[in-house]
Amino acid sequence: GQQVMQIPQYQHVQEGEDFTTYCNSSTTLSNIQWYKQRPGGHPVFLIQLVKSGEVKKQKRLTFQFGEAKKNSSLHITATQTTDVGTYFCAGLSASGGSYIPTFGRGTSLIVHP
Amino acid sequence: EPEVTQTPSHQVTQMGQEVILRCVPISNHLYFYWYRQILGQKVEFLVSFYNNEISEKSEIFDDQFSVERPDGSNFTLKIRSTKLEDSAMYFCASSIGLAGLSSYEQYFGPGTRLTVT
Repeated sequence: GQQVMQIPQYQHVQEGEDFTTYCNSSTTLSNIQWYKQRPGGHPVFLIQLVKSGEVKKQKRLTFQFGEAKKNSSLHITATQTTDVGTYFCAGLSASGGSYIPTFGRGTSLIVHP
Repeated sequence: EPEVTQTPSHQVTQMGQEVILRCVPISNHLYFYWYRQILGQKVEFLVSFYNNEISEKSEIFDDQFSVERPDGSNFTLKIRSTKLEDSAMYFCASSIGLAGLSSYEQYFGPGTRLTVT
């Protein structure tokens, strides 16, 4: 079945440093979504990427979808303590007509002030 | 801002007992979902529901699980005979359109922590 690998599992940064998390799928994706989950909270939708090579920005967050639609990344510029949380990607397979998302294990971001 | 609500926030039950987890999706949403997250692990899809029937379900969603929309506002997940490994956070989510199709955003509820002893 489809697998989505996400690295790193944890990332400690000093406030102001940049952060990147990467997702790799074992199969071609039709789209990929990104979520943020604060400690003790629930996943909150951030964005969805659909097109090959797509890049979207939300303030300090930059999301990329690979040309082959098998990988994606989330980059945060100049992290703040409010960025703390776990960032998940969730990919939808391009085949089979299924809309079951496969989540990555998430990257937990810890920002030290 | 409208939000998905879930009750109870924490449910403790004994192995073999039945539990019903309740969710109130956002009122104009048409698609409903259940996910679970074992502590410290990734979010796992259980089931999606549309037009009063299951749209898709994962391998996790076996015969011990069932979903229902008993009225116009509630969406429930029933676990018939709980096992220790059912201990997890269960999230309900809803969306206007089918999540994954176009950019229909899923809104997650705060979750119900299920502890099976």
